[in-house]
Amino acid sequence: QITLEESGPTLVKPTQTLTLTCTFSGFSLSSNGMGVGWIRQPPGKALEWLALIYWDDDKRYSPSLKSRLTITKDTSKKQVVLRMTNMDPVDTATYYCAHTTFDYADKWGQGALVTVSS
Amino acid sequence: DIQMTQSPSTLSASVGDRVTITCRASQSISSWLAWYQQKPGKAPKSLIFKASTLESGVPSRFSGSGSGTEFTLTISSLQPDDPATYYCQQYDSFPWTFGQGTKVEIK
Repeated sequence: QITLEESGPTLVKPTQTLTLTCTFSGFSLSSNGMGVGWIRQPPGKALEWLALIYWDDDKRYSPSLKSRLTITKDTSKKQVVLRMTNMDPVDTATYYCAHTTFDYADKWGQGALVTVSS
Repeated sequence: DIQMTQSPSTLSASVGDRVTITCRASQSISSWLAWYQQKPGKAPKSLIFKASTLESGVPSRFSGSGSGTEFTLTISSLQPDDPATYYCQQYDSFPWTFGQGTKVEIK
């Protein structure tokens, strides 16, 4: 079965770069149609889609955050990495990675809470 | 960006009640809509995709309908396990966008 797990720092300082890793199992990111995306959720607020990478290395980003985001994949390690630069306290959120097959997010990781504070 | 608007923001109903949540898109998204259930402290769980297709293992009391710009999620008989926040999400085009959520409570 498909599982995903987020890992990374729980606390980052303002202006720092956040690097989160999604380690997955149960599928290959080299298979046609497969993708992994990132979604975040500030405490008590709604979900916000950030980025997505497909099996063919097609990458999609939220327009409002595009300048700060980079998504990459390592197919052999079964990992997807999200980098977000210039972190600010408003970026405090639970960050989720999720599996997709051409469309919606059908399986989610448990989430990683990241706090931005000096 | 396509804006997704859910209503109501909160609803309170009794066990056994029929519950309906509405999701409106700012432009047509055909049937490219998903519904998620999120319980406190947990990750969202996919319930319905392509507006009306139930994920495997999701109880049949959940159903989805609609196309174009108007969609509904219905719980035919609210159960004690159903209190959660429900989100709609369009995947017709990037950026994917979510509704603001509907919190369902038991009276």
